[in-house]
Amino acid sequence: ELKVEQNPLFLSMQEGKNYTIYCNYSTTSDRLYWYRQDPGKSLESLFVLLSNGAVKQEGRLMASLDTKARLSTLHITAAVHDLSATYFCAPRGTPGTYKYIFGTGTRLKVLA
Amino acid sequence: EPEVTQTPSHQVTQMGQEVILRCVPISNHLYFYWYRQILGQKVEFLVSFYNNEISEKSEIFDDQFSVERPDGSNFTLKIRSTKLEDSAMYFCASSKTPVNTGELFFGEGSRLTVL
Repeated sequence: ELKVEQNPLFLSMQEGKNYTIYCNYSTTSDRLYWYRQDPGKSLESLFVLLSNGAVKQEGRLMASLDTKARLSTLHITAAVHDLSATYFCAPRGTPGTYKYIFGTGTRLKVLA
Repeated sequence: EPEVTQTPSHQVTQMGQEVILRCVPISNHLYFYWYRQILGQKVEFLVSFYNNEISEKSEIFDDQFSVERPDGSNFTLKIRSTKLEDSAMYFCASSKTPVNTGELFFGEGSRLTVL
């Protein structure tokens, strides 16, 4: 079964700095999602990546997908406090299935 | 903006009791899901539901769990005899179709506490 690992699990960074969160998964997946979760809240969809080489950007966040390497990255540019949250990647299981396998999550804290 | 709504937001129950968690998916969505998240841990898939039947389920979704779409709008998760380890946040999600982006839209969650 598809297994997903995120690195790092915890990330504390200063405002204005850049950093990358990595999501590795073990078997082929045809699409991958990034979600944000604030404490005690639901999951907010950030990006959906559908093909190899896909790159999407929204504000200070940019996500990319390398299906050959089974790797997705979420890059944070010039972090601000409002980005503090937990970020999950979720590749879909094998094509044709309906379940998405969530990574362990990266808890990001941006210090003012 | 359309959203997935869940009730109750928080339920406390005694071990062994039955619990029903309710969800109203986005109205034109066809695929429905339940996920759960034990406090501070990752989000785990429980079950997906399409065309009035289970499409896929995880090993967590054993005989104690069931899902139902009793009418055209509600989607429910029933836990027959709750255990302490069922304490978690349960998220309902829906998607229009897995063929397109298949993007999941999550509800706010129902927190279940089993004493």
